[in-house]
Amino acid sequence: GENVEQHPSTLSVQEGDSAVIKCTYSDSASNYFPWYKQELGKGPQLIIDIRSNVGEKKDQRIAVTLNKTAKHFSLHITETQPEDSAVYFCAASMRGLTGGGNKLTFGTGTQLKVEL
Amino acid sequence: EADIYQTPRYLVIGTGKKITLECSQTMGHDKMYWYQQDPGMELHLIHYSYGVNSTEKGDLSSESTVSRIRTEHFPLTLESARPSHTSQYLCASSEWGGNTEAFFGQGTRLTVV
Repeated sequence: GENVEQHPSTLSVQEGDSAVIKCTYSDSASNYFPWYKQELGKGPQLIIDIRSNVGEKKDQRIAVTLNKTAKHFSLHITETQPEDSAVYFCAASMRGLTGGGNKLTFGTGTQLKVEL
Repeated sequence: EADIYQTPRYLVIGTGKKITLECSQTMGHDKMYWYQQDPGMELHLIHYSYGVNSTEKGDLSSESTVSRIRTEHFPLTLESARPSHTSQYLCASSEWGGNTEAFFGQGTRLTVV
């Protein structure tokens, strides 16, 4: 099965700085790579995703890059703000054989703290 | 705001009790999931369903069971709770079809004493 590794486990940055979280995956058949943000006391929420036919995607201060050859993908947050403080999860999945099933395999999470 | 609800939010229960964690979604999603989340943050898939009467075990072995009698409802049951079952349980759902966004509930924090 798929295995997703995520680094670092904790990340502390100053407000306004950039934050980068990196993930690697094992199964070359994986073709969908979402990133989730989990705030305290809440469930994870999708913030951005990328599919294997795209190398980079950007949404305001958030960007994700994908290197299929090296099997790694990264989340970049620019101009960090205190409200960016949360746990971030990367994930990977592949389209199921039936077309309807895809199970997400999550990374181990990164606790991001943005300090004033 | 995702329309997926979990009850209760918090539950403290004695060893040996039977419990059911409720999960309901109003989005008409075919696929539903249960994840167990460690205190160390990791999310582990314990059950999933692709539709009514479909249930499968996930990647992490669990003593819990699930049922899917209605599309919108995916309850998780522990017949005899133990302290080792203490954890955060997260329910999620997604549309049928290729890779699509999973919507998560707020979770149930279970403590077995």
